[in-house]
Amino acid sequence: RKEVEQDPGPFNVPEGATVAFNCTYSNSASQSFFWYRQDCRKEPKLLMSVYSSGNEDGRFTAQLNRASQYISLLIRDSKLSDSATYLCVVTPPGAGSYQLTFGKGTKLSVIP
Amino acid sequence: DADVTQTPRNRITKTGKRIMLECSQTKGHDRMYWYRQDPGLGLQLIYYSFDVKDINKGEISDGYSVSRQAQAKFSLSLESAIPNQTALYFCATSDSGLAGGQDTQYFGPGTRLTVL
Repeated sequence: RKEVEQDPGPFNVPEGATVAFNCTYSNSASQSFFWYRQDCRKEPKLLMSVYSSGNEDGRFTAQLNRASQYISLLIRDSKLSDSATYLCVVTPPGAGSYQLTFGKGTKLSVIP
Repeated sequence: DADVTQTPRNRITKTGKRIMLECSQTKGHDRMYWYRQDPGLGLQLIYYSFDVKDINKGEISDGYSVSRQAQAKFSLSLESAIPNQTALYFCATSDSGLAGGQDTQYFGPGTRLTVL
């Protein structure tokens, strides 16, 4: 089983739709969890950290399910500008937050 | 001006050539990283450095070397480039001084390297 797995997509959704991505991780002792966003041929940028209690930032909600070893990202009221690849990122146990393990990403296209 | 810069942005070279990719940052961060990204694959860590005197191999360091010339500069070298090193290379920085341990990594714009 790969360390971090994501559905590559693409997810094609109309503007205004709600879309959710899941990501599974293999190491149950993983410490920290993040969602990064990467536009085509650009650098990854932190979208949000994922906390055990779940967290929300505007239209974006992230949740962690340690029992099932997955994290999720929910985007409400999708905008054209949300079109990007969303990377699930996990840190292994004991490594500290500097050692990131990236998923291959889920591609989202928001259609007018 | 960008906080993390990489030069060159694009480079085409031939097999066997020595190549250096440079990264500079103005964020004042102590930690710096080099990653490569291949189409359809996740980012893979090549090397990382906690400070000028602390350099560590990542998961795919074979065929690469690095130099931390100063806190703000971290360069990646391919001593003898080969075609399977064709990839998008990213430099990143982070600050170890934040409380809670979740230091965010900030990425440079990337260098697209093609080895013929």
